[in-house]
Amino acid sequence: EDQVTQSPEALRLQEGESSSLNCSYTVSGLRGLFWYRQDPGKGPEFLFTLYSAGEEKEKERLKATLTKKESFLHITAPKPEDSATYLCAVLGYNFGNEKLTFGTGTRLTIIP
Amino acid sequence: DAMVIQNPRYQVTQFGKPVTLSCSQTLNHNVMYWYQQKSSQAPKLLFHYYDKDFNNEADTPDNFQSRRPNTSFCFLDIRSPGLGDAAMYLCATSRARPRTQYFGPGTRLLVL
Repeated sequence: EDQVTQSPEALRLQEGESSSLNCSYTVSGLRGLFWYRQDPGKGPEFLFTLYSAGEEKEKERLKATLTKKESFLHITAPKPEDSATYLCAVLGYNFGNEKLTFGTGTRLTIIP
Repeated sequence: DAMVIQNPRYQVTQFGKPVTLSCSQTLNHNVMYWYQQKSSQAPKLLFHYYDKDFNNEADTPDNFQSRRPNTSFCFLDIRSPGLGDAAMYLCATSRARPRTQYFGPGTRLLVL
């Protein structure tokens, strides 16, 4: 069974203090690793897809990287509006079926 | 803007009283998904439609049913809601390739 573990569960940073969120995974036949942002009471908002080890994607203050066992979401000089829960998910392929498996997320708080 | 729409945003029902949640999309995606998400937990896939083909997750309770009358609409029926069914219900859509899933804002279900 595919598994996704995110750490830390919660992270508090001062505005401007850079850090990284971790997503470690085990999956049968990786078809993609996804990062989403979820604000309280709302649906997840798509951020990035990574397909193979060594791939990197960037968007504003966020940068996602991928290895064969884990992905990192790097946040550079965060602002209070970056406060949210960040979800990692892997799309695995097993016995002819594809399934997206989510981690429980990292709750990020940026303090002004 | 192309999007995934869920109605209602908040639904209150009584224990055992059937309820229907709706999802519509203007993305023209052929795959639609229903997830259940409880507080601080990962979204849990209930079922998905690949065009008209219905795919049920093995651990989705029989109490949950779904209908997809056309490409744009999908419904989640909960036949006899229990207190444990109180959650956020998320609808998502994707193309067949790539399988990046785009989520709606969710429906928060409260069971009294």
